Amino acid sequence: GQNIDQPTEMTATEGAIVQINCTYQTSGFNGLFWYQQHAGEAPTFLSYNVLDGLEEKGRFSSFLSRSKGYSYLLLKELQMKDSASYLCAVLDSNYQLIWGAGTKLIIKP
Amino acid sequence: GAVVSQHPSWVICKSGTSVKIECRSLDFQATTMFWYRQFPKQSLMLMATSNEGSKATYEQGVEKDKFLINHASLTLSTLTVTSAHPEDSSFYICSAHRTSGTPYEQYFGPGTRLTVT
Repeated sequence: GQNIDQPTEMTATEGAIVQINCTYQTSGFNGLFWYQQHAGEAPTFLSYNVLDGLEEKGRFSSFLSRSKGYSYLLLKELQMKDSASYLCAVLDSNYQLIWGAGTKLIIKP
Repeated sequence: GAVVSQHPSWVICKSGTSVKIECRSLDFQATTMFWYRQFPKQSLMLMATSNEGSKATYEQGVEKDKFLINHASLTLSTLTVTSAHPEDSSFYICSAHRTSGTPYEQYFGPGTRLTVT
C-alpha cells in the first residue's frame, strides 16, 4: 500500500527553527509537495521537490532524499502566523497526489 | 496567480435535501479538477477527479450516485450532494490543476463547509 508518515503535532517557540519530517512509501515517485493549511481554510502551496537536495524559499526550506523516501520542511524565524497544519503529499506513478495526515504546528510566544 | 473560487462558502441544509457546490478557476483553464472532503482534525480525502467533458473518476468507497460531479466547462465543476444526511457534514474543498507552472501543482478553492441537520 501507499503510506505517508508525518508527526501529528509539534510545538515550537516564536523566533526559533522547526523541522517537520515526512517519510513516504508510494508506488512510484514524481515529486513531493508541502502545503500549509490554516484552520478552516484551504491548503496553500509551499514547495515542490522532485530532485534530491534542499530548496530554499525565504524562511521556508524543503529537503528531499528519494533513496531514503524522506523529506523535511524547515521553518526559520518562526512567527505566530506560522501556526497551521503542514501537509506532505507525494505524486505517485499515476500522477495522483497521496496526502499525509498533516502536522499541526503550534507556535508559542 | 491561479485563483480558484468555491460557492457557497458555507451551507446548512436539512436531511434529505440536495446541495450543489460550485468550483471555478477564475484566471486559467482547468482540464482537471479534484474534489476533496476533510473531516475535523483529519487530512484531505480525495473523493473524485473531474475531467472536463467526461465522467468523473471516483475513489473507492465514494458513491457516485450520491456525489454527482459535473465538469461542463474548462472553468467550472460542480459537486451535488444528493439526499444529504448528517454524516455528510464536512468541509468540501475543490482544487484545479493547470498545465503551466509547477508540474501537477493543485490550486485550492477556499472550501465549502456543509452542515446537514
